[in-house]
Amino acid sequence: RKEVEQDPGPFNVPEGATVAFNCTYSNSASQSFFWYRQDCRKEPKLLMSVYSSGNEDGRFTAQLNRASQYISLLIRDSKLSDSATYLCVVHQDSWGKLQFGAGTQVVVTP
Amino acid sequence: EAGVAQSPRYKIIEKRQSVAFWCNPISGHATLYWYQQILGQGPKLLIQFQNNGVVDDSQLPKDRFSAERLKGVDSTLKIQPAKLEDSAVYLCASSLVSREPSASGTQYFGPGTRLTVL
Repeated sequence: RKEVEQDPGPFNVPEGATVAFNCTYSNSASQSFFWYRQDCRKEPKLLMSVYSSGNEDGRFTAQLNRASQYISLLIRDSKLSDSATYLCVVHQDSWGKLQFGAGTQVVVTP
Repeated sequence: EAGVAQSPRYKIIEKRQSVAFWCNPISGHATLYWYQQILGQGPKLLIQFQNNGVVDDSQLPKDRFSAERLKGVDSTLKIQPAKLEDSAVYLCASSLVSREPSASGTQYFGPGTRLTVL
C-alpha cells in the first residue's frame, strides 16, 4: 500500500463549479499535512497547510480526518487558472521529511 | 528574494554516462532536499541535508547516486553510471531549520533539471 494515495483524475470541472477530492495516508503517526500545487512542467508550490479544525484560504478549503486518515481539498468557484495537479503531502517526522502523493489532476474548462 | 536555483535545466545523456546537477538554495535555508520526480508520480525524496550533514538518504541508490553539500550552501547530485530508468526531473528544495512541522513543511522548490537517458 502506498503511503499517500490520491485519485489521479483528471477531474474535468466547468468554470465556476466546485470540485473536491481526497487523499488517504497510511502512517497514523503523521504530524502535519499540506496541499501543494504543480503546474505542467513546473515545480511544486505550497498551496496551503491542513489543520485539524479545517481551514480556508479564499476559494480553497482543506479538511483533515485523522480517524479515517484522509485529507480533502475543495475548490469553489473554479477558475481556469486552477487547472493544475494537486499534490497531497504528509509530513512524516520532525526533520521535515515530506511524503508526496502522485497528485490529482484538475482541468477547469470554459 | 531569490528562489532556489538549479542547473542545468535540461540534460540528455546516453546510458552508462555520468551527469551532475547543481543546486543553490534560498539564502539562510539550512535544510536542502533532492527529489526525483518520474512522469506521472509525485516527487520522491532522494537525500536531505541539514547544513552539510546528511539527515536522510534512505532512498538514494548509493551504488550510482551521490550527493554532497560541502560548505552547507550549494549542493551537487551526481549519477554514475546513468540508467534508462533515471530519466526524470530532479528537483532541489530548501526550507528553514525548524522542528515545527508547519514551518518545515514549507519547502521551496527550484525549477528542476529534466534528465533524459537514451
